[in-house]
Amino acid sequence: AQTVTQSQPEMSVQEAETVTLSCTYDTSENNYYLFWYKQPPSRQMILVIRQEAYKQQNATENRFSVNFQKAAKSFSLKISDSQLGDTAMYFCAYNRYSGGGADGLTFGKGTHLIIQP
Amino acid sequence: NAGVMQNPRHLVRRRGQEARLRCSPMKGHSHVYWYRQLPEEGLKFMVYLQKENIIDESGMPKERFSAEFPKEGPSILRIQQVVRGDSAAYFCASSTAGSQGYNEQFFGPGTRLTVL
Repeated sequence: AQTVTQSQPEMSVQEAETVTLSCTYDTSENNYYLFWYKQPPSRQMILVIRQEAYKQQNATENRFSVNFQKAAKSFSLKISDSQLGDTAMYFCAYNRYSGGGADGLTFGKGTHLIIQP
Repeated sequence: NAGVMQNPRHLVRRRGQEARLRCSPMKGHSHVYWYRQLPEEGLKFMVYLQKENIIDESGMPKERFSAEFPKEGPSILRIQQVVRGDSAAYFCASSTAGSQGYNEQFFGPGTRLTVL
């Protein structure tokens, strides 16, 4: 079974700083997808960024980027120029490649990120 | 285009009662997923359904929990004889039908179940 581990329960940084959230996973699959989701106090799950395992290039979405190390099974999220609105729970998630659809996501326990003014 | 709808947003039940949670997928989506989030935890996959079919229920508790996605109407997650340990946020997500590549799951706002 796949597992996702987030070892940082909480992190706090000053506004405008750069912060990196860690995630490791375990799988025997070769093709899969990795995600970072944001859950603000409203509890709505918001997709931040997605990485396909077969792509060597790290995904980037504006201020958000990932460092995907497939051999090490590591998938960290870097937030540049952090903003107060980035304060939220961040979940790392895994989905195996099923070819014709999608399976249930496997989530880590989350990291509570606090951006201080 | 409305997103994934869940209702009710908050549900309070006494121990032993039944809870029914509803999920209307996004327009054009035929796949529905249910997840449970216990306090201070990440989301845990429960069940994956297509219209009139349960595809994967590996995350569903063996007793008291059931799910359906009828041909017409919303998907229903039903919890019979609720206990305090069922108190959690229940999220529904939906996606399009299978094709090559990834079909993104879009999440609803969740239903917060409190069992007294």
